[in-house]
Amino acid sequence: DTAVSQTPKYLVTQMGNDKSIKCEQNLGHDTMYWYKQDSKKFLKIMFSYNNKELIINETVPNRFSPKSPDKAHLNLHINSLELGDSAVYFCASSQGGPSEYNEQFFGPGTRLTVL
Amino acid sequence: RKEVEQDPGPFNVPEGATVAFNCTYSNSASQSFFWYRQDCRKEPKLLMSVYSSGNEDGRFTAQLNRASQYISLLIRDSKLSDSATYLCVVNNRDSGAGSYQLTFGKGTKLSVIP
Repeated sequence: DTAVSQTPKYLVTQMGNDKSIKCEQNLGHDTMYWYKQDSKKFLKIMFSYNNKELIINETVPNRFSPKSPDKAHLNLHINSLELGDSAVYFCASSQGGPSEYNEQFFGPGTRLTVL
Repeated sequence: RKEVEQDPGPFNVPEGATVAFNCTYSNSASQSFFWYRQDCRKEPKLLMSVYSSGNEDGRFTAQLNRASQYISLLIRDSKLSDSATYLCVVNNRDSGAGSYQLTFGKGTKLSVIP
């Protein structure tokens, strides 16, 4: 079984649309993350959730909203998609809380293309 | 100055060669350091942590120089399967939020040639 899974793997959509990317982890981890990797391959953290609480929120547009229905899921909803949102979005998870570092396990990524 | 800087490469080396990657970081209060590996169109995966005393895992050796804010990765006896992008990663503590945050370098691309 895949430890961290994301759906869909590929997403092609028009500007202005609203879309969601789902992430699930079956590792029993406490913290989950969303990263964005742009065309220049720069991987940057967007959000992290621990026990349903947002603990990191980088300066991303408020069109992006993470939603965590339970500890095993952290979905990413994007409103009014823009061309610049085209990137690969990675979900990740780690054991433990925010006050310690533990290895992060990444999902396979969702390649978003906005036309 | 970027938080984590790496030479993007590509490094094209023959099988069996020894290759070294370097990385510098700007935050002197950084807590811990790692090398991640990312294959083409795949997710990043932890390769190894980097300790102050230097550490080795098989053909891979990582070193940290806190005074110079410099991290290195040495790969000996390169294999074709080592071809990937190697990401230098620094873990910083956000004192305000009390949480840790990974900062990734852009990566160094390695191609091992038969």
